[in-house]
Amino acid sequence: EDKVVQSPLSLVVHEGDTVTLNCSYEVTNFRSLLWYKQEKKAPTFLFMLTSSGIEKKSGRLSSILDKKELFSILNITATQTGDSAVYLCAVLPNAGGTSYGKLTFGQGTILTVHP
Amino acid sequence: DVKVTQSSRYLVKRTGEKVFLECVQDMDHENMFWYRQDPGLGLRLIYFSYDVKMKEKGDIPEGYSVSREKKERFSLILESASTNQTSMYLCASSLLSVAKNIQYFGAGTRLSVL
Repeated sequence: EDKVVQSPLSLVVHEGDTVTLNCSYEVTNFRSLLWYKQEKKAPTFLFMLTSSGIEKKSGRLSSILDKKELFSILNITATQTGDSAVYLCAVLPNAGGTSYGKLTFGQGTILTVHP
Repeated sequence: DVKVTQSSRYLVKRTGEKVFLECVQDMDHENMFWYRQDPGLGLRLIYFSYDVKMKEKGDIPEGYSVSREKKERFSLILESASTNQTSMYLCASSLLSVAKNIQYFGAGTRLSVL
């Protein structure tokens, strides 16, 4: 059974801090790892990581995948109150069979950024 | 922009009622998914569909059924709602393509079963 574990489960920081969110996984047939941000509505897509060691970056957010150690990190620098959200990590299996396209999610990390 | 629309944001039902949750996507996606989200448990897959009239059980299908009569619409059915089905329900859709297999989510339906 595929498994995704995120840590920490919750985190409280002040504006301007840098945070690192962790995601480890055990997947039979790994293809990609995805990060989503969820405020009080639909999860919105942040990154898809398929190759080890290649950093994906979008503004103050960045993420990297380590396929040997089976984990990914999401970094947020100079945090703002608008970064407060639940951050979800999910893994996508490789093509083939009816499991294709099915994501397995971690529990999520609740990030609270205080002014 | 991809749009996934869920018919209700909030729903209150009584135990034993039959409940329909509707989801429509406007991007011609092949795959559609239903999840429930509970504190501390993340998103858990109930059912998914990769084509019209096709459905596959997810991790927690018990007590639920689904219907996909048209490509753009995927319905989740609670045949006889129970209090342990009180939850946030999220619908998602994605392309079948390997390179573009990103799921896009609706805003969610918060269901309370009394």
